[in-house]
Amino acid sequence: QKEVEQDPGPLSVPEGAIVSLNCTYSNSAFQYFMWYRQYSRKGPELLMYTYSSGNKEDGRFTAQVDKSSKYISLFIRDSQPSDSATYLCAMESNFGNEKLTFGTGTRLTIIP
Amino acid sequence: GAVVSQHPSRVICKSGTSVKIECRSLDFQATTMFWYRQFPKQSLMLMATSNEGSKATYEQGVEKDKFLINHASLTLSTLTVTSAHPEDSSFYICSAREMAASYEQYFGPGTRLTVT
Repeated sequence: QKEVEQDPGPLSVPEGAIVSLNCTYSNSAFQYFMWYRQYSRKGPELLMYTYSSGNKEDGRFTAQVDKSSKYISLFIRDSQPSDSATYLCAMESNFGNEKLTFGTGTRLTIIP
Repeated sequence: GAVVSQHPSRVICKSGTSVKIECRSLDFQATTMFWYRQFPKQSLMLMATSNEGSKATYEQGVEKDKFLINHASLTLSTLTVTSAHPEDSSFYICSAREMAASYEQYFGPGTRLTVT
């Protein structure tokens, strides 16, 4: 079993829809949760960062963490064609000292 | 924001040759840099963690004699793929963490290596 599971998609939704992306994990030591966006043939860029359980909102993006279920989500509201990319979840157990463990990434396409 | 560059962005080499990839933090000092490999439609797999002035820490299954990592300064780390083979063809991405305590890793744009 992988430490982090993420549905690779692909996922296609019409412009303006709400997108829900999810990851599950097995390592209860993970405390720091990130979402990265990666455009084709580019390096990942950090979108959202959350510590422990809870919600965090930044513009059209909302990250949720449920540590009891070992489940994290990223919601994108009012999706735009420019949101089309691969979204990777990543997790870390100790702040600044441990490696990131990535999910496989979900390929998202927003249809105009 | 913090910028990490990689050079070259794309390289094609013949089997048996060596290739060097550079990773630079342009506007910050990075005591720690990470090297990842990403195969098509797969996630980033950490290869090694590079700390300035010390030997790199390699992940299990990564051959340290094949993937030589040097982190000679606070702004530069290099990955050398020695005696490259077609199965080494991949997308290599580096990331850097700022010297000050920070959760964020800043990723480079990646290097596409093709071994013929």
